[in-house]
Amino acid sequence: QVWLVESGGGVVEPGRSLRLSCVASGFPFSSYGIHWVRQAPGKGLEWVAVAAILRDGGQNFFADSVRGRFAMSRDNPKNTLYLQINSLRLEDAAVYYCARDSGVARMDVWGQGTTVTVSS
Amino acid sequence: QSALTQPASVSGSPGQSITISCTGSNSDVGGYNYVSWYQQSPGKAPKLIMYDVNNRPSGISNRFSGSKSGNTASLAISGLQAEDEADYYCVSYTNSNSWVFGGGTKVTVL
Repeated sequence: QVWLVESGGGVVEPGRSLRLSCVASGFPFSSYGIHWVRQAPGKGLEWVAVAAILRDGGQNFFADSVRGRFAMSRDNPKNTLYLQINSLRLEDAAVYYCARDSGVARMDVWGQGTTVTVSS
Repeated sequence: QSALTQPASVSGSPGQSITISCTGSNSDVGGYNYVSWYQQSPGKAPKLIMYDVNNRPSGISNRFSGSKSGNTASLAISGLQAEDEADYYCVSYTNSNSWVFGGGTKVTVL
C-alpha cells in the first residue's frame, strides 16, 4: 500500500526551529518529487516547497514566503523527507501535508498532516 | 506568486451541474497544461480529482471534468450529489519553478 506519514509538529515559540518528517512507503521514494503544502486554521491550501526529481538529479524549490527560512533534505534509504523550519513566525502555524507528485502538478498521495502551532 | 482566483462558493441542487473557475495568468495556468484539482472534506487531507487539466485519476467519477481556456481552468461537476459537498482547490505549475494554489471554493449541495 502506498502512503505518506508526517510527524514532528508541535507547539513552538516564535523564532525557534522545528523539523518535520515525511516518511513514505509502498513506492520507490527516490523516483518521486515530494511537495510540502500547508493549511492555516480555517484557510486554504498554500504550496510551500518541493523536493523535485529532475533529469540531472534532485533539486529543492521553495515558495517566496518561506525561502531562506525553510530547508529540505532527503534521506532516500530511510524513505524520508525532512522540512527544517527556522525562525518560526506566527504565520507559519498550519497543518503541514506532504504529497507525492506523479507528474508536474499531480499530487496523488497525501499524508494526514502534522500540526505546527506557533505560540509564546 | 499570487494565489489563483476561485469563487469563494458555488451551490447547486442534487442532479444539477456546476462549474468552478480558476483564473491565473500567462505565467501559470495559461502557460502550462499542469493544472490539477483537489477535493477536501473537513478535517481530511486533499484528494486529487483531476490532473493535467482534464485527466481523471483512476477511481474518480466521470461526473467530474476539467477544461482550460486561456488563463482560466475550470472544473465541472455534473449530476451533483450530496457527497460532492466539500472544498475544491486548483493548483498550477508556474514559470518560476513553483506551484500556486487557488483560494478554494466551497461547494454546497442545496
